[in-house]
Amino acid sequence: DGGITQSPKYLFRKEGQNVTLSCEQNLNHDAMYWYRQDPGQGLRLIYYSQIVNDFQKGDIAEGYSVSREKKESFPLTVTSAQKNPTAFYLCASSTSIGGTGPYNEQFFGPGTRLTVL
Amino acid sequence: AQTVTQSQPEMSVQEAETVTLSCTYDTSESDYYLFWYKQPPSRQMILVIRQEAYKQQNATENRFSVNFQKAAKSFSLKISDSQLGDAAMYFCAYRSAFGGGADGLTFGKGTHLIIQP
Repeated sequence: DGGITQSPKYLFRKEGQNVTLSCEQNLNHDAMYWYRQDPGQGLRLIYYSQIVNDFQKGDIAEGYSVSREKKESFPLTVTSAQKNPTAFYLCASSTSIGGTGPYNEQFFGPGTRLTVL
Repeated sequence: AQTVTQSQPEMSVQEAETVTLSCTYDTSESDYYLFWYKQPPSRQMILVIRQEAYKQQNATENRFSVNFQKAAKSFSLKISDSQLGDAAMYFCAYRSAFGGGADGLTFGKGTHLIIQP
């Protein structure tokens, strides 16, 4: 089945540690995205990538880093510079620019819950 | 920058009745996409319905329909014959059509929908 997988489902981090959240998709989508969700807030865009080896900052990129070495994978690193990293993180993907389908619908993974101890 | 506002943090409806969730947005663009996503307790984001700004006809998906008022920048979701499985957080989202529409989504803060049996 095609879809998006995120791992781990739950992640615990100590103060000062970097952690990496995994996101893999087998939908053959070119574009991938990372969002953060806090209680009482909608989703906020952290980073996105439209093609391999290229990515752009979203609205809240400070304290995060990403890489896009393969089309299928878009890992997110939460660095020690992120002052309040406890949140639910969602990865998404969509068809490429100008791809088939007029809506460029974003498909979401199941999410990773990150907690700082 | 675009903003999306959902003014109802929580709504409650009796099973089998109809409920309308409100969404307004602010943009200077003329072409864009609008979406309603559902997030049940599992936290998986599920696309409910979508609308292209240049289409005047309101989108409909089974029991779900929208009232899209472009001039008023309003995009409400109507759920008919509410079912227990409709209970979830509902998020309104905006996406620019500029650049092929591969940018990230801008979300509202969500409306928690409760279905009373």
